[in-house]
Amino acid sequence: GESVGLHLPTLSVQEGDNSIINCAYSNSASDYFIWYKQESGKGPQFIIDIRSNMDKRQGQRVTVLLNKTVKHLSLQIAATQPGDSAVYFCAENIPLPIYGGSQGNLIFGKGTKLSVKP
Amino acid sequence: DAGITQSPRYKITETGRQVTLMCHQTWSHSYMFWYRQDLGHGLRLIYYSAAADITDKGEVPDGYVVSRSKTENFPLTLESATRSQTSVYFCASSERWEAQETQYFGPGTRLLVL
Repeated sequence: GESVGLHLPTLSVQEGDNSIINCAYSNSASDYFIWYKQESGKGPQFIIDIRSNMDKRQGQRVTVLLNKTVKHLSLQIAATQPGDSAVYFCAENIPLPIYGGSQGNLIFGKGTKLSVKP
Repeated sequence: DAGITQSPRYKITETGRQVTLMCHQTWSHSYMFWYRQDLGHGLRLIYYSAAADITDKGEVPDGYVVSRSKTENFPLTLESATRSQTSVYFCASSERWEAQETQYFGPGTRLLVL
């Protein structure tokens, strides 16, 4: 099975509320994590990333938290808006030792659909 | 900016036919990737290319062929399409393929094999 997965396949929130999307990974060697947003009919769009030497990173209205102890990643969206409705998925980078870790395999999760109710 | 484009956006073909999906990027990125996206799976890497004339297999390469004669183009060919290749195909590119390098995705090609 895949090493990256999501706890909830769907999430429905009220406009203005905060959203939290979770992701579990199983490879302790993963050194880099990315959250993507994918709107219907479009390609994935980069939202935010975090390196394994960090536990929190903030962007505009989004925060990613990394808990390496339990291999858990979360995406927090503040003041969720209708335009945030999309599928969100995480990806982990597993470095390839033969390249000294500079290259890696990017493994994608299946995604969580976020629906924002006006 | 133009970024990364894919064509066609939608394609219907029959089993056994050859199909080529096109990918073009305007950033002169060294790395390009082909993924397929299916329900119940995350994006899965088919092939990637580190530079012109350099390609390598990803997780699910069987049934696909790629080429990279020019840096900006990375076509994906299904030599004899099968129904299991019905999927949404995404092309992506990045300047490097390092641990902290972001991949930029095209809009996708939706392929139906009858």
